[in-house]
Amino acid sequence: QSVLTQPPSVSGAPGQRVTIPCTGSSSNIGAGYDVHWYQQLPGTAPKLLIHGDRNRPSGVPDRFSGSKSGTSASLAITGLQAEDEADYYCQSYDSSLSGSVFGGGTKLTVL
Amino acid sequence: QLRLQESGSRLVKPSQTLSLTCAVSGGSISSGGYSWTWIRQAPGKGLEWVGYIYHTGKTSYNPSLKSRVTISIHRSQNQFSLNLSSLTAADTAVYYCARGVLLWFGEQKTFYFNSWGQGTLVTVSS
Repeated sequence: QSVLTQPPSVSGAPGQRVTIPCTGSSSNIGAGYDVHWYQQLPGTAPKLLIHGDRNRPSGVPDRFSGSKSGTSASLAITGLQAEDEADYYCQSYDSSLSGSVFGGGTKLTVL
Repeated sequence: QLRLQESGSRLVKPSQTLSLTCAVSGGSISSGGYSWTWIRQAPGKGLEWVGYIYHTGKTSYNPSLKSRVTISIHRSQNQFSLNLSSLTAADTAVYYCARGVLLWFGEQKTFYFNSWGQGTLVTVSS
């Protein structure tokens, strides 16, 4: 059971907008620790998508955006493309565990 | 451009020790502001933080693995390594090395991971 909770799967049609929630608690997201997001294409290493709740590294399209409120964070993808089909993970810090924690991952299917 | 490359034992027997090394190129492992981290992913499962070593040599481990994990830094070779002892089938996973970028939260160090190795599958089986 992951410390951060994500839905196992989401789906959307090309061009649509999807959101992937990440729910934590008072010892991680709710304490104010930053949330980061990763994209993992099949058979490859994860790639940083969003850091510090809402910041995109150079080269990440602005179709990807992050937000945070209370004990939850969210990744939004607009203008969905077939190449976005991947697993997405949120990550934060947990003060009870004194270390990094990940969500269980969400598989995005582009219909 | 920073590059990380894992190497080491791919098939290990139960109760034995896993040893992996991460070679870093394109940047110095002695640079401040970064952690050198191991993250693993069991087949079909999510990501699990194993632990990290800071450039000072200070370590932090996942509490669920702490009694079995050692991460070391080898500055002259620009490498860092992972030893995981008393292996069981549950330790079968792809092991990734990664560079963590430091974010201060008050006096607490936190990290996000902006560079990853390609990963290496370690199978625990007799």
